Amino acid sequence: DARVTQTPRDKVTEMGQEVTMRCQPILGHNTVFWYRQTMMQGLELLAYFRNRAPLDDSGMPKDRFSAEMPDATLATLKIQPSEPRDSAVYFCASGLGASGRVETQYFGPGTRLLVL
Amino acid sequence: GESVGLHLPTLSVQEGDNSIINCAYSNSASDYFIWYKQESGKGPQFIIDIRSNMDKRQGQRVTVLLNKTVKHLSLQIAATQPGDSAVYFCAEPGTSYDKVIFGPGTSLSVIP
Repeated sequence: DARVTQTPRDKVTEMGQEVTMRCQPILGHNTVFWYRQTMMQGLELLAYFRNRAPLDDSGMPKDRFSAEMPDATLATLKIQPSEPRDSAVYFCASGLGASGRVETQYFGPGTRLLVL
Repeated sequence: GESVGLHLPTLSVQEGDNSIINCAYSNSASDYFIWYKQESGKGPQFIIDIRSNMDKRQGQRVTVLLNKTVKHLSLQIAATQPGDSAVYFCAEPGTSYDKVIFGPGTSLSVIP
């Protein structure tokens, strides 16, 4: 049963610390998305990649957030330095994009981040 | 701009009753819509989709209706069960079609 995996599942850190979240997309999927979910903002798209190349990171605070895909099996989202307002659940999703379109996204279980 | 929104943020139904979750969208050019279910502590999961050349699509206990005239879609759940308690999101492609725009979600609570 193929699924998206994310680590860590939970992270508690102090303001100013670096946080790295990892995602393993479903094998064969060529598009990876990072979302942030909060009660106030709902699901926000932060960035996404197609064939490991970043396509759009306009939803991401550039000064502290960075997203990469070192290889096809790993996507990372890094926050440095972290702030309390970054506290949220971060989801990774993957899908198969054909003709530039991903119709169904498969979500991981999320990383629950708490910045004190 | 485009947006997808839900009429009701919360919905409570009795176990065994039918549930109807509504969604309004603003982009009349959208040709594909998806419903996701998010259970507590989990990521959203695909439930059912519908293309704009259809007005109804049925799955197992779920039916999605699309009314393009008023830009409205709904998710109907038959014989609602406690396991249906979750937040339900409707979603549509962004203008670039690379992205999907999620609505704010409706929380469904099933009363035993």
